[in-house]
Amino acid sequence: EVQLVESGGGLVQPGGSLRLSCAASGFTFSNYAMSWVRQAPGKGLEWVSSISGRGTSTYYSDSVKGRLTISRDNSQNTLYLQMNSLRAEDSAVYYCAKDGSYGPPRWFDPWGQGTLVSVSS
Amino acid sequence: DIQMTQSPSSLSASVGDRVTITCQASQDISNSLNWYQQKPGKVPKLLIYDASNLQTGVPSRFAGSGSGTHFTFTISSLQPEDIATYYCQQYYNPPITFGPGTKVDIK
Repeated sequence: EVQLVESGGGLVQPGGSLRLSCAASGFTFSNYAMSWVRQAPGKGLEWVSSISGRGTSTYYSDSVKGRLTISRDNSQNTLYLQMNSLRAEDSAVYYCAKDGSYGPPRWFDPWGQGTLVSVSS
Repeated sequence: DIQMTQSPSSLSASVGDRVTITCQASQDISNSLNWYQQKPGKVPKLLIYDASNLQTGVPSRFAGSGSGTHFTFTISSLQPEDIATYYCQQYYNPPITFGPGTKVDIK
């Protein structure tokens, strides 16, 4: 069974940093692209970033480009999201999701339970 | 960026009713369109990929169709457990974008 377990969320001040992790199990991690998708409280889904299976290609939404960095450690079956220069509008539940393929992001299945990031002074 | 719109934004239907949600893309996305279900307080779940392919384990009352810019998601016979918000999502061109969602309630 595929399992994705996020961690690292919390309360951070504007301008601060946070590093999210997603521990994966139940599948060959390096064979699949992985993504982060976020959802602000009471709002819809917003794609944040994706990374190919080997980590050689990364993709970002315009709203996070230059501030958030996606990476992965295939030896540890772990996905990361380094979040710098955080803003109030980054406050959301951040979901880790397995992609349907190895390369450019296509669909997200399954999703982890999410980790809450709150940016506030 | 490709913009996705959904209609209606919410609907209320009776158990057993046929429910239809539409999703429109701002440009041709071929069949690069997926549908998700998010029940209240739960994690999103993939139902349909590539516009019309039912994900493994998803009940056959769910179906998707369309290509280009116009897509349809149908629940053939609404069940109480189908109360959720449904999202479409395109992957034709990064950035990936989601529709705003359609909230489905039981009348």
